[in-house]
Amino acid sequence: EPEVTQTPSHQVTQMGQEVILRCVPISNHLYFYWYRQILGQKVEFLVSFYNNEISEKSEIFDDQFSVERPDGSNFTLKIRSTKLEDSAMYFCASTGHHTEAFFGQGTRLTVV
Amino acid sequence: AQSVTQLDSHVSVSEGTPVLLRCNYSSSYSPSLFWYVQHPNKGLQLLLKYTSAATLVKGINGFEAEFKKSETSFHLTKPSAHMSDAAEYFCVVSDGKYGGSQGNLIFGKGTKLSVKP
Repeated sequence: EPEVTQTPSHQVTQMGQEVILRCVPISNHLYFYWYRQILGQKVEFLVSFYNNEISEKSEIFDDQFSVERPDGSNFTLKIRSTKLEDSAMYFCASTGHHTEAFFGQGTRLTVV
Repeated sequence: AQSVTQLDSHVSVSEGTPVLLRCNYSSSYSPSLFWYVQHPNKGLQLLLKYTSAATLVKGINGFEAEFKKSETSFHLTKPSAHMSDAAEYFCVVSDGKYGGSQGNLIFGKGTKLSVKP
């Protein structure tokens, strides 16, 4: 069964450092997403990406965040200067046309 | 604006007894609704989805949910709980902003299901 894969599973970084979270969506999917879940809180939408550009972004997705699809397979989320409050589980998801979202297992980001 | 409310943060049942996880939604138009499950240290897995077809939706592992527009509810049920059902369950609504995509999702806070032997 096709799946979305995320690496690393856990990332620890110092405050102020840049981090890149990586995702490999399902190969024939067209829409790509990042969500995050702060411990004990809801899963929140960050950004959607289609046709090599951001389709929509939430208020959380400020100038510190960026996404990229550098090649035909990877989809990355970069946080330029991490803050303590960026600590969360980050989920990547992808969909095709008229299909539900398939999620990766998540990357747990811990900012210290 | 769309929103989802899961009425219970934690539900505990005995193995073999029915499961009911409650969800109410708010939507300005006909929504797509989903239930996702998250087992410990695993990703989010789709259990079932409602997309304006049959109001009673059957999913994997014996779960089903009924879309009730008059009550704005989409409760998840299972006749008989199994130990392996212990997980966190999320009720989710799609904002439907993209015609072909169901990915812009709004999540409920989740309900943790515990199953006692």
